[in-house]
Amino acid sequence: EDQVTQSPEALRLQEGESSSLNCSYTVSGLRGLFWYRQDPGKGPEFLFTLYSAGEEKEKERLKATLTKKESFLHITAPKPEDSATYLCAVQDNYGQNFVFGPGTRLSVLP
Amino acid sequence: DSGVTQTPKHLITATGQRVTLRCSPRSGDLSVYWYQQSLDQGLQFLIQYYNGEERAKGNILERFSAQQFPDLHSELNLSSLELGDSALYFCASSVVSGGPDTQYFGPGTRLTVL
Repeated sequence: EDQVTQSPEALRLQEGESSSLNCSYTVSGLRGLFWYRQDPGKGPEFLFTLYSAGEEKEKERLKATLTKKESFLHITAPKPEDSATYLCAVQDNYGQNFVFGPGTRLSVLP
Repeated sequence: DSGVTQTPKHLITATGQRVTLRCSPRSGDLSVYWYQQSLDQGLQFLIQYYNGEERAKGNILERFSAQQFPDLHSELNLSSLELGDSALYFCASSVVSGGPDTQYFGPGTRLTVL
């Protein structure tokens, strides 16, 4: 059974304090790993798609990396507006199973 | 704006009632997914449609059903509503290819069952 875990459950950072969020997954062949940002009461906003171990993608202060068992979302010099829940999801190679992790709640304090 | 639209934004109803949630996918996307997100819980996959046909089923209750119409919009029907059905319901859409199928989410419908 495909599984996704995320750590930490919650993270509080000072503005400018860089850190990383972890997404560990178990899947019967990875077709894709996805990162989303979700603000309270809003729909998840797409950030990145990764599918090959060693792949890296960047967008502004965010950088996502992928290994065979986990993915990291690195946040460099975060700002208060980066506060949100960050969700990780995987799609297996059969293409019909999407599993979301529970998310990491990030708070960036000014 | 993801390009996925959902109506209504809010819905308040009573136990035992039936409601219909509507979703229009992004232009060009053939696949629609429905998710439920209860308070402080993660996204639970309910069901996926591709070009009008059911493609995958998740933890969808028998009281819930969905369909995708020829114009590709989708409806999620929830019947015999219970208090525990109160949640945010999200629709997402994607193209379906041989690679990763990135899903784009709508703004959600907040359902409150009293």
